[in-house]
Amino acid sequence: GQSLEQPSEVTAVEGAIVQINCTYQTSGFYGLSWYQQHDGGAPTFLSYNALDGLEETGRFSSFLSRSDSYGYLLLQELQMKDSASYFCAGDLSGKLIFGQGTELSVKP
Amino acid sequence: DAGVTQSPTHLIKTRGQQVTLRCSPISGHKSVSWYQQVLGQGPQFIFQYYEKEERGRGNFPDRFSARQFPNYSSELNVNALLLGDSALYLCASSFSGGGETQYFGPGTRLLVL
Repeated sequence: GQSLEQPSEVTAVEGAIVQINCTYQTSGFYGLSWYQQHDGGAPTFLSYNALDGLEETGRFSSFLSRSDSYGYLLLQELQMKDSASYFCAGDLSGKLIFGQGTELSVKP
Repeated sequence: DAGVTQSPTHLIKTRGQQVTLRCSPISGHKSVSWYQQVLGQGPQFIFQYYEKEERGRGNFPDRFSARQFPNYSSELNVNALLLGDSALYLCASSFSGGGETQYFGPGTRLLVL
């Protein structure tokens, strides 16, 4: 089957760096996306890795290694507003397969 | 430019009823996908439409159906509602639907009593 695994929760302090890992068991992914979702809100797009390597967008970076079926989201200079759920999602030609989400708690 | 819009924002129905949810994609986007998100889980793919044709269907019963209109807006219909259909229903749009970013709307929160 197709599945993506990520930690259920992560806690970090304001100003720190945190990495959220995502491993997957599937083939044929066009790419790996990351979304942020605050309680009750819509998933907000953060990044999309179509190729192996690192993509950087401001405080957020994302990495993909297809040979290792692995990716991660790196959040730097954490802020309280970064407390949210983060989802990795594999793109199967337009069909997104989501992980169960990682709840990030940022403490002062 | 406006993002993806969905209506209604909230809906309360009783078991056995039918519901229609609506979605308007970002201007210029031709693909719309529907997802169901139950509390505490990641979104689950229901349907994808591109140029008014169904391109993909997830593992949902036939009670779920959808269509896309010439202006690329879309409707999701759910018949014979069950308590387990209570969820956040999300619509996502993209230009062509494959290998590119999908942008989500705010969702419709459906409660079935």
